[in-house]
Amino acid sequence: GENVEQHPSTLSVQEGDSAVIKCTYSDSASNYFPWYKQELGKGPQLIIDIRSNVGEKKDQRIAVTLNKTAKHFSLHITETQPEDSAVYFCAASGTGRRALTFGSGTRLQVQP
Amino acid sequence: DAGITQSPRHKVTETGTPVTLRCHQTENHRYMYWYRQDPGHGLRLIHYSYGVKDTDKGEVSDGYSVSRSKTEDFLLTLESATSSQTSVYFCAISEAGDSYGYTFGSGTRLTVV
Repeated sequence: GENVEQHPSTLSVQEGDSAVIKCTYSDSASNYFPWYKQELGKGPQLIIDIRSNVGEKKDQRIAVTLNKTAKHFSLHITETQPEDSAVYFCAASGTGRRALTFGSGTRLQVQP
Repeated sequence: DAGITQSPRHKVTETGTPVTLRCHQTENHRYMYWYRQDPGHGLRLIHYSYGVKDTDKGEVSDGYSVSRSKTEDFLLTLESATSSQTSVYFCAISEAGDSYGYTFGSGTRLTVV
């Protein structure tokens, strides 16, 4: 089955700096790659996703890049703010499988 | 979270007792999922459902069973709770399966003592 590795497990940045979280996946058939943000005491919330026919997608301060050849994808957050502090999860899925496989999560802390 | 409710939010139970967690949705989505969240492991799939009475096992299904007799309800049962099942349990729903975003519930924190 699919295996998703996520790095780093913790990340601390200064407010205004950029943050990058990286994930690799094992199944070349995977074609959908969402990212979720989880705030304390809440369920994960979808923040951005990308499909395999697209190399990059951007939504305001958040962007995701995908390299299908290398089987890795990354989340980029620019101009970080304290409210970006949360746990972020990447995930992967593809045709024939019925559920997302998640990475182990990255705890992002933005220092004011 | 709008459209999806988990109950209870917190539960403490004793080893060896059966426990049932409930996920209720008002979105009429076909797909429903149960994940558990543990430090260092992210979210791991327990069971999922792609319709009424259609369920399948995930990667960590041992010791768990599920039922879905109505579109809106997906029940997770721990047949005989063990301390290793202490975790936070999340239910998720999806309109069109794994290639579309999930909506997660707020979670159930289960402690087995």
